[in-house]
Amino acid sequence: GQQLNQSPQSMFIQEGEDVSMNCTSSSIFNTWLWYKQDPGEGPVLLIALYKAGELTSNGRLTAQFGITRKDSFLNISASIPSDVGIYFCAGLNRNYGGSQGNLIFGKGTKLSVKP
Amino acid sequence: NAGVTQTPKFQVLKTGQSMTLQCAQDMNHNSMYWYRQDPGMGLRLIYYSASEGTTDKGEVPNGYNVSRLNKREFSLRLESAAPSQTSVYFCASGGVGEQYFGPGTRLTVT
Repeated sequence: GQQLNQSPQSMFIQEGEDVSMNCTSSSIFNTWLWYKQDPGEGPVLLIALYKAGELTSNGRLTAQFGITRKDSFLNISASIPSDVGIYFCAGLNRNYGGSQGNLIFGKGTKLSVKP
Repeated sequence: NAGVTQTPKFQVLKTGQSMTLQCAQDMNHNSMYWYRQDPGMGLRLIYYSASEGTTDKGEVPNGYNVSRLNKREFSLRLESAAPSQTSVYFCASGGVGEQYFGPGTRLTVT
């Protein structure tokens, strides 16, 4: 089946630093999504990307839909303590799982910030 | 709007017991989903419902059944719980693309 490789698995950074993480796949996706999950909570949608090459921002977060449609990147600028959590990428291919198309999730990047 | 709500938040079952996890959404979405989340495994799709009256298997459906009661509600049933079903269960709703998650049910089977 389809798989997403998300990296890094975890990272520690100093407050104020920029953060980068990415997801890659051997398959093409039509949509890329980035979620954040806080401890004991459900994932919250941060950014959705719908076109190859698209660059979208949400506050200090910026995500890009790779030109090859097989990868996506998330950057967090000037990190703060509340950025701590697990970040998941998810890809959608409408040709997989019938007309519905279902999300495939990466295994997450755990972000820890030193105040 | 409450978004996606799930009950219960926590549950402990003995092996062989049954239970139903409830999910409701108030965003008028056609599609609803059930996932399980295990350490190191990410989110895995159990079942989904593309519209009222339809349900389909996801990646890990064995040991589960679902019911799409109406457009708002989608329940997940464990008929005979097993320790391997110890997990955190998330319900989600959305269109083709974006999905919005509930707060989760933490289930332990002893």
